[in-house]
Amino acid sequence: GQNIDQPTEMTATEGAIVQINCTYQTSGFNGLFWYQQHAGEAPTFLSYNVLDGLEEKGRFSSFLSRSKGYSYLLLKELQMKDSASYLCAVKQGGYQKVTFGTGTKLQVIP
Amino acid sequence: NAGVTQTPKFQVLKTGQSMTLQCAQDMNHEYMSWYRQDPGMGLRLIHYSVGAGITDQGEVPNGYNVSRSTTEDFPLRLLSAAPSQTSVYFCASSPDGDEKLFFGSGTQLSVL
Repeated sequence: GQNIDQPTEMTATEGAIVQINCTYQTSGFNGLFWYQQHAGEAPTFLSYNVLDGLEEKGRFSSFLSRSKGYSYLLLKELQMKDSASYLCAVKQGGYQKVTFGTGTKLQVIP
Repeated sequence: NAGVTQTPKFQVLKTGQSMTLQCAQDMNHEYMSWYRQDPGMGLRLIHYSVGAGITDQGEVPNGYNVSRSTTEDFPLRLLSAAPSQTSVYFCASSPDGDEKLFFGSGTQLSVL
């Protein structure tokens, strides 16, 4: 089976930096996704990590440590529009055997 | 550029009724899937398909049927709706099952 843990809620200030952690326990690990989901909308893709290390994409970065079963999503220069849920999803084996965590609801305050 | 199209957007059913949630994609993606999203549970995979004529069960398949007669369409059928099936349903696709998912806009289903 799989176990994916992320904090339920976080609050951060506009302009600041926030790190959203995700830990997982799984067999056959084959990659980790981060998705963003605004309230009432569909998830949209943010990042995909297969190898250890940091992937940077503009204001968003994602880090993976396979040996530790750990990933984080780093959001810089927070904007009000970044208020959303952030979903960590682990791929196991082939063909999209993807399991989602319960998501972290981020609130950005002025 | 339509992407993944789901209909209807909202639906209310009575217990025991049947219905089909429609999903179509125009990106020629081989892989399509259905998820349900419940508060505190995250997205859970119901069924998926890796190509026309091929379907398989996900994590929570009971009470749902699927078929994939064409690459474009992947309908989800509720045979006899139950209150436990009240949820938001998302259809998603990807080019080959190994890449990021493209999600439809979702269907909010209430079973009374």
